[in-house]
Amino acid sequence: DAKTTQPPSMDCAEGRAANLPCNHSTISGNEYVYWYRQIHSQGPQYIIHGLKNNETNEMASLIITEDRKSSTLILPHATLRDTAVYYCIVRPVGGKLIFGQGTELSVKP
Amino acid sequence: SQTIHQWPATLVQPVGSPLSLECTVEGTSNPNLYWYRQAAGRGLQLLFYSVGIGQISSEVPQNLSASRPQDRQFILSSKKLLLSDSGFYLCAWSVWGRGETQYFGPGTRLLVL
Repeated sequence: DAKTTQPPSMDCAEGRAANLPCNHSTISGNEYVYWYRQIHSQGPQYIIHGLKNNETNEMASLIITEDRKSSTLILPHATLRDTAVYYCIVRPVGGKLIFGQGTELSVKP
Repeated sequence: SQTIHQWPATLVQPVGSPLSLECTVEGTSNPNLYWYRQAAGRGLQLLFYSVGIGQISSEVPQNLSASRPQDRQFILSSKKLLLSDSGFYLCAWSVWGRGETQYFGPGTRLLVL
């Protein structure tokens, strides 16, 4: 069973920031928050992960609340190629990746 | 940089036929390797994982088996395919030095008829 809750779908205008929320109210102290995305008919692509602090890389930013019960993945300038299913996963280092249903993000022109 | 290959990309097989899917990783040593299956419209299910040559752990009982004959080669097999084996098969790798983040291959789409 997935330990995260995500909205099933979201829309975003091209060029705008896409903010994808994730609730993980039962997260344990040793569990990281991971984000992957899957573009249709491709393998999942790793985006970013974090434990407590906010993280940023060339793809996205991850904002984790202070109580760690929720997080937001931010794509700062969404493009049509960012249309995909985005998965939020909590796991300890070395633990299993359990994919839920994710959020289907549609970036529209 | 590391890359992961899977082949074939797509496969159509009759029920009862054998199966062999191959996954290879380049650019890293001693990776942990994983096989996942994704049924249409559903999430990924972990099938097997391996922490070294000849070491295979099975996550769910099924009609499939896995082998790791070389450090960076992972093979998924079946002696007799079932209709329910249809799906999208994904191989992934990870290494301890990178937080055990898993990186996925392009996948093999299998249709059993």
